[in-house]
Amino acid sequence: EIVLTQSPDFQSVSPKETVTITCRASQSVGGSLHWYQQKPGQSPKLLIKYASQTFSGVPSRFIGSGSGTDFTLTIRSLEAEDVATYYCHQSITLPLTFGGGTKVEIK
Amino acid sequence: DVQLLESGGGLIRPGGSLRLSCAASGFTFSNYAMSWVRQAPGKGPEWVSTGTAGGGLHYADSVKGRFTIYRDNSRSSLFLQMNSLRAEDTALYFCAKSSSMNRDVDEFDYWGPGTLVTVSS
Repeated sequence: EIVLTQSPDFQSVSPKETVTITCRASQSVGGSLHWYQQKPGQSPKLLIKYASQTFSGVPSRFIGSGSGTDFTLTIRSLEAEDVATYYCHQSITLPLTFGGGTKVEIK
Repeated sequence: DVQLLESGGGLIRPGGSLRLSCAASGFTFSNYAMSWVRQAPGKGPEWVSTGTAGGGLHYADSVKGRFTIYRDNSRSSLFLQMNSLRAEDTALYFCAKSSSMNRDVDEFDYWGPGTLVTVSS
């Protein structure tokens, strides 16, 4: 099973600052790494697919990068509506796995 | 618009059975793999099972032999039959659609709101 380790677990950031979340895979997932945003009481929503492709309707301030085992989600100029928990997910092989999540809060 | 709506959750005693349903609309259901993903309280998502467009069935080890996924393409519906339920199966169960047509595993581009399953005596 591919283990995805996210860091940090929690980040408190002032509005308009940049948030950086990392996801490290226990073995290469190629580019098959995706990012989701989950707000309290809601289901996860796809933000970035295949490491760097922004999903339809997602604001351009969400940027994904990386390949192999190391990936980054960057949120430029954080807005209040971005308060959520962010998860990475790999689809290169079964079982599909998710990272433990990074909770982002506004300072 | 793509819509997914789960139902069938509830409170069930350990060892009991439950059947979850997911009604889909807004896309050609038969062309996409569909999955169940669960999320225990305060935890991250956990993949449970996938039924592919081609009829393949995949399960997490934690549910293999106890859960069965099946789909009714004529009704655009996905089901999860859950038997021998355990306390650790307690979670919000989401139905999720794969992003690409005719791929067995993929990212999930749409999720339903979920249905809560609580296994407790």
